[in-house]
Amino acid sequence: ETGVTQTPRHLVMGMTNKKSLKCEQHLGHNAMYWYKQSAKKPLELMFVYSLEERVENNSVPSRFSPECPNSSHLFLHLHTLQPEDSALYLCASSPRIGNQPQHFGDGTRLSIL
Amino acid sequence: QQPVQSPQAVILREGEDAVINCSSSKALYSVHWYRQKHGEAPVFLMILLKGGEQKGHEKISASFNEKKQQSSLYLTASQLSYSGTYFCGTDLPGETSGSRLTFGEGTQLTVNP
Repeated sequence: ETGVTQTPRHLVMGMTNKKSLKCEQHLGHNAMYWYKQSAKKPLELMFVYSLEERVENNSVPSRFSPECPNSSHLFLHLHTLQPEDSALYLCASSPRIGNQPQHFGDGTRLSIL
Repeated sequence: QQPVQSPQAVILREGEDAVINCSSSKALYSVHWYRQKHGEAPVFLMILLKGGEQKGHEKISASFNEKKQQSSLYLTASQLSYSGTYFCGTDLPGETSGSRLTFGEGTQLTVNP
């Protein structure tokens, strides 16, 4: 089983829908991250959680709402998204916060109609 | 505020060497390097924490010149498996912990037989 698992792998939704992305890590890590990767743009940090506590909200619009119920699971709740939100959403985890290697999942490819 | 990578793309023949640079307009405390193959998750390569520090990973090594606010990634005797996009990540402004990274746009490396 891979270290960081993201579901679904692909998601197509309308602008008025509500959906959630799920991330699960099996590495015993204490920190988890959400990144957005758009075509021709750098990886963009969205949220950082350490021991289920949010430590960073990198000026992300409120239509993205993270949830970290425990150190192994991370969700990204989506509602009223815009076409420019179409991107690859990557989850990562690291042993702890700080200069640590981050292990990434394969991402969820999100398309907004 | 994001680091600047150069070159944007490089094409090599198997066995050739390459250097990828990552420069910042602000003081650097750490530089993180990742490789992402097409359609796959980014994979951690190394973190450099001190000025002048060099680290190695197989035939891939890196240096960190704190004075020049720059890191360089060296790929020697390149293999086909080295193909992918290489990203460097540095601390967001005001950060020194390596917890919140901003990434460069990436350098696309192609190794041909």
